[in-house]
Amino acid sequence: SQTIHQWPATLVQPVGSPLSLECTVEGTSNPNLYWYRQAAGRGLQLLFYSVGIGQISSEVPQNLSASRPQDRQFILSSKKLLLSDSGFYLCAWSSGGGLGEQYFGPGTRLTVT
Amino acid sequence: KQEVTQIPAALSVPEGENLVLNCSFTDSAIYNLQWFRQDPGKGLTSLLLIQSSQREQTSGRLNASLDKSSGRSTLYIAASQPGDSATYLCAVMIYNQGGKLIFGQGTELSVKP
Repeated sequence: SQTIHQWPATLVQPVGSPLSLECTVEGTSNPNLYWYRQAAGRGLQLLFYSVGIGQISSEVPQNLSASRPQDRQFILSSKKLLLSDSGFYLCAWSSGGGLGEQYFGPGTRLTVT
Repeated sequence: KQEVTQIPAALSVPEGENLVLNCSFTDSAIYNLQWFRQDPGKGLTSLLLIQSSQREQTSGRLNASLDKSSGRSTLYIAASQPGDSATYLCAVMIYNQGGKLIFGQGTELSVKP
């Protein structure tokens, strides 16, 4: 069966510090991978998606970046965090060329102070 | 631009009641529609996926319908239980964008014992 992991579960970081969130998927190969953010009082917003290793599409201009160094690993990064980066970050995967059901990870709660 | 709206934003019902959650979308050119459940502080759990060619899907006490031409979907929950308390999100997948999901703001459901 497939499993998706995210870490850390929670993170408190000062403004201007770097960020690295990691997502890994087990039990499938060549998945489409997604990073979403859920900010307080706002809906889920797609940040990045990837259809393969090294292939990243950005949805929203921001100071975040994503990388996919391995088939089942997706990393969200920032060089300098802003207060507005606070939120709940969710990683998701899907098969079927990205047209199938999406499955979400447990999320990372990021608070920028 | 695709927009997804969920009504009501919050709903409180007594245990045992049948209920309907509504989701509407502005552009009928969708590939599929997915309903999710989110418990506080947790990731999303996929409940039902309806392909654009389908009219409804059922899983246990849940039934989701899709009327693509009118831009509407409903999630019917039969014989509600306190364990059904959660936020329910609908999301539509649009074509040719790597499986991008557009989410509604969700309906927060509370089922009272």
